[in-house]
Amino acid sequence: EVVLTQSPGTLSLSPGERATLSCRASQSVSNNYLAWYQQIPGQAPRLLIYGASSRATGIPDRFSGSGSGTDFTLTISRLEPEDFAVYYCQQYGSSSITFGQGTRLEIK
Amino acid sequence: EVQLLESGGGLVQPGGSLRLSCAASGFTFSSYAMSWVRQAPGKGLEWVSAISDTGNSAYYADSVKGRFTISRDNSKNTLYLQMNSLRAEDTALYYCAKTTGSSWYGPFNYWGQGTLVTVSS
Repeated sequence: EVVLTQSPGTLSLSPGERATLSCRASQSVSNNYLAWYQQIPGQAPRLLIYGASSRATGIPDRFSGSGSGTDFTLTISRLEPEDFAVYYCQQYGSSSITFGQGTRLEIK
Repeated sequence: EVQLLESGGGLVQPGGSLRLSCAASGFTFSSYAMSWVRQAPGKGLEWVSAISDTGNSAYYADSVKGRFTISRDNSKNTLYLQMNSLRAEDTALYYCAKTTGSSWYGPFNYWGQGTLVTVSS
């Protein structure tokens, strides 16, 4: 099973700042099948990025994904108030889909 | 508009069974693989099971293998999860999720609002 480790656990930033979230895999993610989701408390997750760097439909361009192999990054270029939430990475390149433990992005 | 509506959750004793359903609308259900993902209270996301678009192939997390069975009825646009031998650690909000394509391993671009399963005596 591919274990995904996200860092930091909590990130405290202000609106307008840049956020950088990390996701590290225990082994190479096949075909860079790595996705990022945003979850606002009380809501279902929302797909932001798939294939490591492709934005899902309707996702603002301030969200971007990068990386390959075992190291991946989600960047939010300029934080809006609605961006403060929990973010999960997910790999879907192996026979068992796994998620990271999440990064909580909170308002400083 | 894509809609996924889960039902069937509730309180069940350890060792008991439940059957979850997910009614899908707004897309061609038979063309997409589907999954169940759960989230224990205050915890992260855990993939549970996936099924191919035709229903011919099913996949399970090790934590539920042999106890849970995923199925679908494409004539009714409905996804199911039969859960047997339930344990306290199965307590969670269970989401139904649609993949982006027919491959079972795709990312999930639509999610339902979840149905809560509580396993307790």
